[in-house]
Amino acid sequence: AQKITQTQPGMFVQEKEAVTLDCTYDTSDPSYGLFWYKQPSSGEMIFLIYQGSYDQQNATEGRYSLNFQKARKSANLVISASQLGDSAMYFCAMRESEGAQKLVFGQGTRLTINP
Amino acid sequence: GAVVSQHPSWVICKSGTSVKIECRSLDFQATTMFWYRQFPKQSLMLMATSNEGSKATYEQGVEKDKFLINHASLTLSTLTVTSAHPEDSSFYICSARDPRQGAAKNIQYFGAGTRLSVL
Repeated sequence: AQKITQTQPGMFVQEKEAVTLDCTYDTSDPSYGLFWYKQPSSGEMIFLIYQGSYDQQNATEGRYSLNFQKARKSANLVISASQLGDSAMYFCAMRESEGAQKLVFGQGTRLTINP
Repeated sequence: GAVVSQHPSWVICKSGTSVKIECRSLDFQATTMFWYRQFPKQSLMLMATSNEGSKATYEQGVEKDKFLINHASLTLSTLTVTSAHPEDSSFYICSARDPRQGAAKNIQYFGAGTRLSVL
């Protein structure tokens, strides 16, 4: 069974609009972490934002925010005021338990920002 | 910020030869590094976890003798693809866990990746 599910293979958004990238996860451990990474066409993976399962507030980093809905097991990434440079693959990932070192990645969403 | 350097970024080699890829943490010490493989238009697949001073932990289905990992120092891990064949052609990317972020966060920072083409 998929532990991280990203249901949107591709998204197309107009520049300056906000965009939400979906991510749902599955774990039975109460202590876990959720991450979002951006992968431009050049290939490097860029860390964007982190949300811990016990964090009371949604994480924010500049134009990125994470809409964390624990009961629904969702951790959607919201990008405000999208820019052309936001066009990339976006991966949601999870650290399944407190002691886990590995990350489990979703299949990714390709975001295209149109001018 | 945490910077991870990976070298080379691109390599072409003949079938049967070995290729070494380096992964360095530039501004922090990384006791744990990770090696991933990524096929075109797919997600990252973890190959192994590299621990400084000890043997790497390989994921199921990854050949240890094929993909040799050495983590001899707190800032360097290497992946050697031995006797490379065309089916080993792929994008290989490493990451390192930044301990300064705290064990709970366990944020991994990635290198720029290496595109391997085996002829």
